[in-house]
Amino acid sequence: EVQLVESGGGLVQPGGSLRLSCAASGFTFSSYSMNWVRQAPGKGLEWVSYISGSGNSKYYADSVKGRFTISRDNAKNSLYLQMNSLRDEDTAVYYCARPYYESSGYYPWGQGTLVTVSS
Amino acid sequence: DIQMTQSPSSLSASVGDRVTITCRASQSISSYLNWYQHKPGKAPKLLLYAASSLQSGVPSRFSGGGSGTDFTLTISSLQPEDFATYYCQQTSSTPQTFGQGTKVEIK
Repeated sequence: EVQLVESGGGLVQPGGSLRLSCAASGFTFSSYSMNWVRQAPGKGLEWVSYISGSGNSKYYADSVKGRFTISRDNAKNSLYLQMNSLRDEDTAVYYCARPYYESSGYYPWGQGTLVTVSS
Repeated sequence: DIQMTQSPSSLSASVGDRVTITCRASQSISSYLNWYQHKPGKAPKLLLYAASSLQSGVPSRFSGGGSGTDFTLTISSLQPEDFATYYCQQTSSTPQTFGQGTKVEIK
């Protein structure tokens, strides 16, 4: 079964850091690019970041550029999102997601992990 | 960046109704358009990819169309389990932007 499981969410103060992880199983992880998508309370879906299968190409939304870093460990079938200088507006459920095939829609998605930035 | 605009933002409909949601891209995206269903507390569910290809396991009452800049999602006969928020997304270029969502509510 193709599956993604996120972890690492929690409560953090403004200006703090958090590292999210996404464990993949059921497919050849290194063959697929991966994405992070978030949903803030009461808001819609927002694409956050992309990484190619090799890890050589990375892209970020303007809202997180310079603060968030996406990475992956293909040997461990894992995706990461290092979040620094967190702001109140980063409060959201964060999902990792794989494209069904390259440049297609995302399937599967993880179950999501909640990040709350608050003092 | 490519902007995705959905309409309407919300709608009320009855079980059995035919529902159509539109999505417009700020520039041509060919057929790189996907539709998702999202329910509270759940992960988004891919319904259609490449504008009109039905994801495996998705009921045939869902259909999609369009190319270039204008796209539609149609639910031919709304079922109780279809009440949710629907999003379009373009995967033509990065950032792979989502529309703002259309909430489908029970009339």
